[in-house]
Amino acid sequence: EVQLVESGGGLVQRGGSPKLSCAVSGFTFTTSWMSWVRQAPGKGLEWVANINQDGSEKYYVDSVEGRFTISRDNAKNSLFLQMTSLTVDDTAVYYCARGYTALDYWGQGALVTVSS
Amino acid sequence: DIQMTQSPSTLSASVGDRVTITCRASQSISSWLAWYQQKPGKAPKLLIYKASTLESGVPSRFSGSGSGTEFTLTITNLQPDDFATYYCQRYNGYSRTFGQGTRVDIK
Repeated sequence: EVQLVESGGGLVQRGGSPKLSCAVSGFTFTTSWMSWVRQAPGKGLEWVANINQDGSEKYYVDSVEGRFTISRDNAKNSLFLQMTSLTVDDTAVYYCARGYTALDYWGQGALVTVSS
Repeated sequence: DIQMTQSPSTLSASVGDRVTITCRASQSISSWLAWYQQKPGKAPKLLIYKASTLESGVPSRFSGSGSGTEFTLTITNLQPDDFATYYCQRYNGYSRTFGQGTRVDIK
């Protein structure tokens, strides 16, 4: 069974630097591109970042470029999103997902709430 | 950046109806488009990729068409389980963009 389980969310102060994790099982993580997608409360989906199989290619949406860093640990089947300089606009449910093109497996999401 | 515009934003329909959702790209994206279904409090579910290829396990009442800048998602014989929000997503180039979503609710 495929599982993606996000952790590390919660209430964070403006300017904070939380790190989200996504533990993966049920598919070959080492051969998969991975992505982060977020959804602000009551809003639509926004692609955040993706990373290739060995971590040598990373791409970001403009609004997080320079503030967020996507990374992975293939030995631990884990994906990460280090977030810095958070603003209230970063408040969202953050999903990890498998894929570079269409995203076929998704986690349940981790809520990050930025307080002002 | 390429913008994706869905229409309508909300659609009211009845069980058994045929519904069509449109997604327009601000420039050509060939067939690099996916469709997702999302229910409240749940993660999105991939329905269609490469504009018209049905993801494994997705019912055949879902279909996608289009290329270039205009795409459609059609649901024939709408079922109670299909009331949800639908998103298109382009995946050409390095960045990704979702449409703003179309909510399908019960008439």
